[in-house]
Amino acid sequence: KAGVTQTPRYLIKTRGQQVTLSCSPISGHRSVSWYQQTPGQGLQFLFEYFSETQRNKGNFPGRFSGRQFSNSRSEMNVSTLELGDSALYLCASSKFEMNTEAFFGQGTRLTVV
Amino acid sequence: GQQLNQSPQSMFIQEGEDVSMNCTSSSIFNTWLWYKQDPGEGPVLLIALYKAGELTSNGRLTAQFGITRKDSFLNISASIPSDVGIYFCAGQWGGSNYKLTFGKGTLLTVNP
Repeated sequence: KAGVTQTPRYLIKTRGQQVTLSCSPISGHRSVSWYQQTPGQGLQFLFEYFSETQRNKGNFPGRFSGRQFSNSRSEMNVSTLELGDSALYLCASSKFEMNTEAFFGQGTRLTVV
Repeated sequence: GQQLNQSPQSMFIQEGEDVSMNCTSSSIFNTWLWYKQDPGEGPVLLIALYKAGELTSNGRLTAQFGITRKDSFLNISASIPSDVGIYFCAGQWGGSNYKLTFGKGTLLTVNP
């Protein structure tokens, strides 16, 4: 079966712009979580969506937001981009809410210049 | 907040050697997980531990959930070149807070 698909794979944006990243979970999976990965901070939890509702949220500013659609696909939006937002953004899907048997996508590499 | 200390940060070993890495936490977790990340890929779940004291194997990998619930270790026996990558531990408290807290990772290099 198809894995978790994240688009785009790479993105370059300018400070102040906004960006939308997309994640298509494995078919049948209803939970989607987003993580930010940087060399300095490692993997940090952004938020989790289950059945179109945000169930958990990490310690990120309000510039980071997300949503989930009825087909379980999820989008993450970052507004007013800062240089420090440059990172690999990973999405993970699982069948159940915050199930530890989560499968990660390849990520979107965002570079802010 | 919860923090995970993962060590060592990096390891350079010869093919065939055994490897051990560990994670310690400032607070209790109810679940410990070990992931491996290859370059350009997302993390892949290797082993999940759900009970204090649990010892679980997955091929040449063995992981244990510490009895204090504040630590876990991962052993890799008879390493091979494809073991190269970054290994992450992650803890989950559970209850109303399901988020995973990750360690900073251990970069493993295997010399053929």
